[in-house]
Amino acid sequence: GAGVSQSPRYKVAKRGQDVALRCDPISGHVSLFWYQQALGQGPEFLTYFQNEAQLDKSGLPSDRFFAERPEGSVSTLKIQRTQQEDSAVYLCASSLGTITEAFFGQGTRLTVV
Amino acid sequence: DQQVKQNSPSLSVQEGRISILNCDYTNSMFDYFLWYKKYPAEGPTFLISISSIKDKNEDGRFTVFLNKSAKHLSLHIVPSQPGDSAVYFCAASRRESGAGSYQLTFGKGTKLSVIP
Repeated sequence: GAGVSQSPRYKVAKRGQDVALRCDPISGHVSLFWYQQALGQGPEFLTYFQNEAQLDKSGLPSDRFFAERPEGSVSTLKIQRTQQEDSAVYLCASSLGTITEAFFGQGTRLTVV
Repeated sequence: DQQVKQNSPSLSVQEGRISILNCDYTNSMFDYFLWYKKYPAEGPTFLISISSIKDKNEDGRFTVFLNKSAKHLSLHIVPSQPGDSAVYFCAASRRESGAGSYQLTFGKGTKLSVIP
């Protein structure tokens, strides 16, 4: 499709398990963003890529969170040793330039049990 | 400390009437404001935005008003339609400020229900 694609749509992980969430941005979009949305909250910024460069990772909540975009296209958000507080919807967005033209994917709902 | 606040978790409006969704912010560095609409199981969709140099922006049935002195913005939907039923998020950024200019700070959202 032409939109931002995220997989899997749903993920159930046992506490302590590592997970990897994938984002396929719109082709040609330079900027890529990850946001975390906890239940009943608005999305919160995690990290930002411009092409393959991670320019800001200030929103990553701990060193268990790691994001990469090695070829400037597909991005993966990895969470190591998942904990219950990691349960949330993880949203990816991409844009040609600024966040104001960003398109969001449907998100990955992560549940840690 | 929440920098963007949407104090009404929900709002119900009759079809054809006006919907007014409110948003307050505390960070005076914010200079660009956006509204996103979100249906269940979908990602947020950009709706309308406004720069801090303006006090009104209109796009069809949607109008956003900005009161900088009060640090308040509102989204008006006229006339409201059942398809407008969704969660609406207010978001703010420091677009002209360099560092962090690409980050969006979201409110918690307001669930709008338009009753036929």
